[in-house]
Amino acid sequence: DTAVSQTPKYLVTQMGNDKSIKCEQNLGHDTMYWYKQDSKKFLKIMFSYNNKELIINETVPNRFSPKSPDKAHLNLHINSLELGDSAVYFCASSQGMGSSSGNTIYFGEGSWLTVV
Amino acid sequence: AQSVTQLDSHVSVSEGTPVLLRCNYSSSYSPSLFWYVQHPNKGLQLLLKYTSAATLVKGINGFEAEFKKSETSFHLTKPSAHMSDAAEYFCVVSSYGGSQGNLIFGKGTKLSVKP
Repeated sequence: DTAVSQTPKYLVTQMGNDKSIKCEQNLGHDTMYWYKQDSKKFLKIMFSYNNKELIINETVPNRFSPKSPDKAHLNLHINSLELGDSAVYFCASSQGMGSSSGNTIYFGEGSWLTVV
Repeated sequence: AQSVTQLDSHVSVSEGTPVLLRCNYSSSYSPSLFWYVQHPNKGLQLLLKYTSAATLVKGINGFEAEFKKSETSFHLTKPSAHMSDAAEYFCVVSSYGGSQGNLIFGKGTKLSVKP
């Protein structure tokens, strides 16, 4: 079983549409994240949730809204998609606030979003 | 603030020769440091991590990295490259303070392995 799984893996959609990416982890972790990788392969955190509570919300347009129905799930909903939203979105999880205590952050395989 | 700099955007080696991917970090605190690998169209896989224990860290697939505080470096090495090592490698430092748990990624080094 994949530890951190996200769906869909590939998504092509038109500008202006609303789409969601789902993420689930079966590791029993209490912290989940969304990272964005741009066309230059640069990775940056978008959101972090700990026990379903938003901890980190970097400078991200409010068209992006994370939803955590429970500790094992963190979905990413994007409204009014723009061309610049095209990227790879990675979900991740860790036990506790991961890296600061040396705990490993585990990543999903990524969701390739293309906005046309 | 924490930051990480990968000194080479692209490294090319021949199969069977040593690999050296360079990384320097900046941190006001004692950092946690990681190397992740990303194969084409794949997710991120943890190679190894340093968390203030042994300064020489061994990871998967024969990779290792040495934490050198005096040089603020965490270079990744492997004695003998394999074709399957061709991928993008990211040096990562953890952040502290208000963004605990946030990983700060370097810009990546693409490793090419020639037959």
